[in-house]
Amino acid sequence: QQPVQSPQAVILREGEDAVINCSSSKALYSVHWYRQKHGEAPVFLMILLKGGEQKGHEKISASFNEKKQQSSLYLTASQLSYSGTYFCGTTSGNQFYFGTGTSLTVIP
Amino acid sequence: NAGVMQNPRHLVRRRGQEARLRCSPMKGHSHVYWYRQLPEEGLKFMVYLQKENIIDESGMPKERFSAEFPKEGPSILRIQQVVRGDSAAYFCASSPATSGGLKQYFGPGTRLTVT
Repeated sequence: QQPVQSPQAVILREGEDAVINCSSSKALYSVHWYRQKHGEAPVFLMILLKGGEQKGHEKISASFNEKKQQSSLYLTASQLSYSGTYFCGTTSGNQFYFGTGTSLTVIP
Repeated sequence: NAGVMQNPRHLVRRRGQEARLRCSPMKGHSHVYWYRQLPEEGLKFMVYLQKENIIDESGMPKERFSAEFPKEGPSILRIQQVVRGDSAAYFCASSPATSGGLKQYFGPGTRLTVT
């Protein structure tokens, strides 16, 4: 039931773009995105609900395709502060499942 | 408004001892979630509680682990007779009742080391 993310890891130069994908084998009703820096707690980025919507947060946006049971996170013109591990999350009943994680490293 | 508080931040226990981890949710939040994160891995759901009720504990090991969220005071995750495999970071998160648990605010975590 754990969503699968791809890629597992990515290294970017400052200013480059990246896409992180999240796929679920079960129907998705909502998708959350979090970023976790090493040794710290996850920080909420955004929630997407049913409807194929796209949301934005500074230069980070996401899309949600419930038919394909997928969500993608788009990072534009990456900054050093974007480095961390990105997790998608989905709900199933009362449980919350985090994805497998994508490690993003932005270098100068 | 203070965020989610967890204590202790670091806990060292010998094998066989008990570990008690505390989580104080954000003010006004009545839903608490506990997660475990092994080194270099993602977060695994353990248990979901509301005040005085365990809503879903299907992610919690059947033995040695228990959780509570009393009417007054913090939520407690208790691990009895700890083993080396229990070494991990334990995060709690809280959400307000109105959000239906969608948006979660995480505490800084408790890093448990079993020697």
